[in-house]
Amino acid sequence: QVKLEQSDSEVKEPGASVKISCKTSGYVFDSYGITWVRQAPGQGLEWMGWIGGYKGKTKYAPKAQDRVTVTTDTSTTTAYMELRNLRSDDTAIYYCARDMSGFTSSWADYWGQGTLVTVSS
Amino acid sequence: EIVLTQSPGTLSLSPGERATLSCRASQSVSANYLAWYQQKPGQAPSLLIFGASTRATGIPDRFSGSGSGPDFTLTISRLEPEDFAVYYCQQYDGSSPITFGQGTRLDIK
Repeated sequence: QVKLEQSDSEVKEPGASVKISCKTSGYVFDSYGITWVRQAPGQGLEWMGWIGGYKGKTKYAPKAQDRVTVTTDTSTTTAYMELRNLRSDDTAIYYCARDMSGFTSSWADYWGQGTLVTVSS
Repeated sequence: EIVLTQSPGTLSLSPGERATLSCRASQSVSANYLAWYQQKPGQAPSLLIFGASTRATGIPDRFSGSGSGPDFTLTISRLEPEDFAVYYCQQYDGSSPITFGQGTRLDIK
């Protein structure tokens, strides 16, 4: 069955970077994309970026694109999201999800369990 | 970017009642590239509807999506206790970055 397993929670200081992993299994990795969404405490969903399983094309939210990089390792079917220059308002649960398109961002049908990133001095 | 506005912010209904949730886009969403998600406390979102009206695998037929252009609706025909949650719409029109609505909380009355 399709699974997306995310890395454990992180606590970081302001100005640091964090890299979250999303290990996938149960499907053909190249045929789908991975989308990244975050949710601040008590808030709604915010799209961060997407990467295509085929050729690794990327798209980013305008607000995030200067500080976010999404990558994949097709040999281990794992996706990564790195967020740099962390601020306190980056404190959130970060989700990876399988995007139905490997060519452009679309909808997401399977989600990881979420990774809590806390930014605090 | 396309801004999605969901209404109402909170909807209080009883089991067995019908729920109608609205999602309005700031501009027309091409090819009905709109999805709906359900999120329960402490859980990741789960896909309900894509393409504005196509139910995802395993979603009961009491959930239905409709609409086009800028106006979309999620209807739950007869509320079950497990349906009380937060619902988000999301557009994936290729002309805009992906955006989500702010969510509608469906509470038990």
